[in-house]
Amino acid sequence: GAVVSQHPSRVICKSGTSVKIECRSLDFQATTMFWYRQFPKQSLMLMATSNEGSKATYEQGVEKDKFLINHASLTLSTLTVTSAHPEDSSFYICSARDTGKENQPQHFGDGTRLSIL
Amino acid sequence: GQNIDQPTEMTATEGAIVQINCTYQTSGFNGLFWYQQHAGEAPTFLSYNVLDGLEEKGRFSSFLSRSKGYSYLLLKELQMKDSASYLCAVMDSNYQLIWGAGTKLIIKP
Repeated sequence: GAVVSQHPSRVICKSGTSVKIECRSLDFQATTMFWYRQFPKQSLMLMATSNEGSKATYEQGVEKDKFLINHASLTLSTLTVTSAHPEDSSFYICSARDTGKENQPQHFGDGTRLSIL
Repeated sequence: GQNIDQPTEMTATEGAIVQINCTYQTSGFNGLFWYQQHAGEAPTFLSYNVLDGLEEKGRFSSFLSRSKGYSYLLLKELQMKDSASYLCAVMDSNYQLIWGAGTKLIIKP
């Protein structure tokens, strides 16, 4: 079945560090990928929609200059949390949808647990 | 506005049956998804309904009524490993997923 690989699975770093998270679709092409954030005991919150070859679409309240998204190929999107602070500590999850199959399920990566000290 | 409502938490007994309801109001409808999410893990896909009726997949079934804006996920022969959060999500007219807050299901022996 469709597989999405997300790396790294866990990051612990000091405040002020920038952290890059990669999301890869392994056996399908994904024009669109999605980045979510989930705080403990809360629901998934869509941060942004990553579009291959164009700018990402950010949800209201998400700072595009802080959460940089690059979707340079049909199989890779990256999220960079710039100058991370303790309040950015969260579970970040990406998902991808097979190109041309908009009504099909999104396939999720395993998530990245980010802890900023 | 768009919203998805589902109960926050439910408790059931091992071996029993539980039904998790989901009601929705969205801009258009292109299908309803149920996902399972264990604590600390990413969601995994369970089911997809786009037409009215019941979809059965092993111990899990999902029902949809588009006219009522209503779905349920039915879990039979509950096992301890079914303890998880169950997320209802509706795909709107722009093919964007609108997520419910999830229902935490606690299974007791």
